[in-house]
Amino acid sequence: NAGVTQTPKFRVLKTGQSMTLLCAQDMNHEYMYWYRQDPGMGLRLIHYSVGEGTTAKGEVPDGYNVSRLKKQNFLLGLESAAPSQTSVYFCASSDPPGQETQYFGPGTRLLVL
Amino acid sequence: AQSVSQHNHHVILSEAASLELGCNYSYGGTVNLFWYVQYPGQHLQLLLKYFSGDPLVKGIKGFEAEFIKSKFSFNLRKPSVQWSDTAEYFCAAHSGGYNKLIFGAGTRLAVHP
Repeated sequence: NAGVTQTPKFRVLKTGQSMTLLCAQDMNHEYMYWYRQDPGMGLRLIHYSVGEGTTAKGEVPDGYNVSRLKKQNFLLGLESAAPSQTSVYFCASSDPPGQETQYFGPGTRLLVL
Repeated sequence: AQSVSQHNHHVILSEAASLELGCNYSYGGTVNLFWYVQYPGQHLQLLLKYFSGDPLVKGIKGFEAEFIKSKFSFNLRKPSVQWSDTAEYFCAAHSGGYNKLIFGAGTRLAVHP
């Protein structure tokens, strides 16, 4: 039981390049989330999904897209990376109905030059 | 807007000192509260959570937190810290559906031997 895994662990991009971050969970959770962590700002929700085929915007969605084609996977895409997207990205998953703990992945450190 | 505030951004303690980290939230209704910890180089782990019932919640590694509704607070405490408690601590809350967490900015704790 691996829990929540993320790939890659670290990536360097040039401004304007695109990339996809992959999150996978093996706990059969319905809900999945993408956060970004920046110094002094805690974690902020980018997008989330409440089930296969669904996505919704979080607190800071601009510049990102997501897809949830399979229940166990949640992809975060950057179409045209900007230096402001330099951050650590965390994926999490949980079960409904609304009182369940979120389980976090190990994070992806992204540097945009 | 819903928010979570952590008063201390950096705390430095000696081993065996007592710890209290402040957390205040701005939700008006029913709220679920969490403390997460992030050890250096690791992902977020749940320390403890409050949903309802006894306002004094005990978590892992000797941590506890007290929910005081009248003060909108959920402070984290530990009577005697250890060097291994060096980490960043995040208070978080969610209210309503989809488990969307709002995080505080985090408190970096450094414990010196």
